[in-house]
Amino acid sequence: GNSVTQMEGPVTLSEEAFLTINCTYTATGYPSLFWYVQYPGEGLQLLLKATKADDKGSNKGFEATYRKETTSFHLEKGSVQVSDSAVYFCALIKGYGGATNKLIFGTGTLLAVQP
Amino acid sequence: EPEVTQTPSHQVTQMGQEVILRCVPISNHLYFYWYRQILGQKVEFLVSFYNNEISEKSEIFDDQFSVERPDGSNFTLKIRSTKLEDSAMYFCASTSGLAGLTGELFFGEGSRLTVL
Repeated sequence: GNSVTQMEGPVTLSEEAFLTINCTYTATGYPSLFWYVQYPGEGLQLLLKATKADDKGSNKGFEATYRKETTSFHLEKGSVQVSDSAVYFCALIKGYGGATNKLIFGTGTLLAVQP
Repeated sequence: EPEVTQTPSHQVTQMGQEVILRCVPISNHLYFYWYRQILGQKVEFLVSFYNNEISEKSEIFDDQFSVERPDGSNFTLKIRSTKLEDSAMYFCASTSGLAGLTGELFFGEGSRLTVL
């Protein structure tokens, strides 16, 4: 079945460090891939997405490239800030979500950035 | 900016009790969802709701669970007789037709349910 595996946290970094959070997926066909973020006290919100192989999603300095050959969608940021401290969720949807939009999530990775 | 709101933020209940979790989706959205996350585990899909009926439900969403949109603004999740294993964070989400096609859901902050 479809599934997402992401690296366990917490990930603790100093400000301005380079961030990578690994995510791999298992799916038949061609899923769309997402990173959602949950800041403290808030709901999950879409950070970036990619809908086909080799697409790069980017937002707020974060990037992730859809790699079909390695079934991966790793999240990266060149220089993290304290305000990036949050839980990051990798997720997929198989095909077009439509009425169901059943997102399949990973476990989430807590990122803590220290000044 | 419009947002999805959920109440209560935290509820503690005794096993066997009924619980209702409430959500107010974004007003012009058409599709509504409940997800849950047991501590340390993945965020899991429970149910989707469109046009006043369930579109899809997971294996988790058994007869103890029900959803309702009673008044055109609220979207509720009811657990009739809670079990210890129902302890989790429950997330409500909504989306419009267009955003939904791209997979963007708008989530609430979550309601933490603790069953003793």
